[in-house]
This record gives sequence, structure tokens and C-alpha cells, in this order.
Amino acid sequence: KAGVTQTPRYLIKTRGQQVTLSCSPISGHRSVSWYQQTPGQGLQFLFEYFSETQRNKGNFPGRFSGRQFSNSRSEMNVSTLELGDSALYLCASSLLYGGNEQYFGPGTRLTVT
Amino acid sequence: TQLLEQSPQFLSIQEGENLTVYCNSSSVFSSLQWYRQEPGEGPVLLVTVVTGGEVKKLKRLTFQFGDARKDSSLHITAAQPGDTGLYLCAGARSSNTGKLIFGQGTTLQVKP
Repeated sequence: KAGVTQTPRYLIKTRGQQVTLSCSPISGHRSVSWYQQTPGQGLQFLFEYFSETQRNKGNFPGRFSGRQFSNSRSEMNVSTLELGDSALYLCASSLLYGGNEQYFGPGTRLTVT
Repeated sequence: TQLLEQSPQFLSIQEGENLTVYCNSSSVFSSLQWYRQEPGEGPVLLVTVVTGGEVKKLKRLTFQFGDARKDSSLHITAAQPGDTGLYLCAGARSSNTGKLIFGQGTTLQVKP
């Protein structure tokens, strides 16, 4: 069974631009969560989606948004990029809503210049 | 506020040594997971512990969940260079959330 896939793997953007990251969960998994990983803050929860609905949201500004499609694929968007948004963005999928066992993708490395 | 404190943050040992990584909190977790992450990759799930006092073994790795479900430990016996990586503990405050709270991680280097 294929794992979680994320595209693109690497991205370089300029301050003020916006970016969309994509995540395809493990086949059959219906819940998708997003995390931001930085050297200073570690892994921080962004949001969780199940059945196309956002179920949980972390403490991030409104510039960070996401959505989930009927096939469970998810996208996250960051608008008006700031230098501090440079990070590894990780997507994780689990079988059910509230599934604590989460399986991570390889991440998208975003660099904001 | 870091809800999960991991220690030590860095560990450099020789092949064959034993080590223990700790994950502590003042909060109760419904479950706790351990991950290992290599540079440029996402975390890989090693184990999930759910019951207070639970002990799980994965080859040379032993995981324990504290009786009060506030802390956990990872013990590696006879470490190998292939064990090198970032070890992360992550807890879920309830069974109805996919939100995991991560510790800061322990970077382990095992020298041949």
C-alpha cells in the first residue's frame, strides 16, 4: 500500500506570495492532519480534516488555511508569506477521525526569501 | 508552553551502548506515540501506547507508558549506527482528536 504523498517536495517563494501544498493520504484513510516543523518550535499542529470538514485547528494565523476533498486528498494554503513561514510542512493521515495513530508523508520544504 | 518535555535533547554514544529517552508531562494523555525521523523525511511511527503501565517491545527498543499516563520512556539496547536519528514523542489529549502534541525531540547519534 502506498504511503502518504506530498507535493511538491521543495518550494521557494518570495515574501508576500501565496502557496498551496498538496497531500494524498494512504488509501482508505479518511483523516488528514497538517503540521509545521521548524528547528526552533519543533512540530506544531496546524489543522485536522475529516469528511471534508475541519475538525481541529492549531494556533496559527488566518493566513494558514486548508481543505479536504471528497477523495480525502487535502491541500493547505498560506497567503501573504512571511520569512518565518519557512519550514517543513508535514501531512499525516489516519484511518478514522480522532485516529491517534498517524502516518506522515515526507513533507514539503518551503523556503521564503 | 511545552506540554511534552523530552530529555536528553542530544545524545552521542558508541555502538553497543544502551540508552533511555524520556518524555514527561504534567498532563494526562489518552495515548502516546513514538516516532523516528531522518533528515529530509517525515516521522515514521514506531509504536503507540495507550494503557497506563503498558510496555511494548520492538526488537531492541522498549517503550513504556507511565502508570498515570503522563510520561513515557524509550530504551534502546545495544544501539546500532542505524538507530541514528531524531526520536519524537507525541501525545493525544483525547481519543477524539487527531491533534498530536509533540516533544522537542531527541537527536541520537550512534558512532561505529
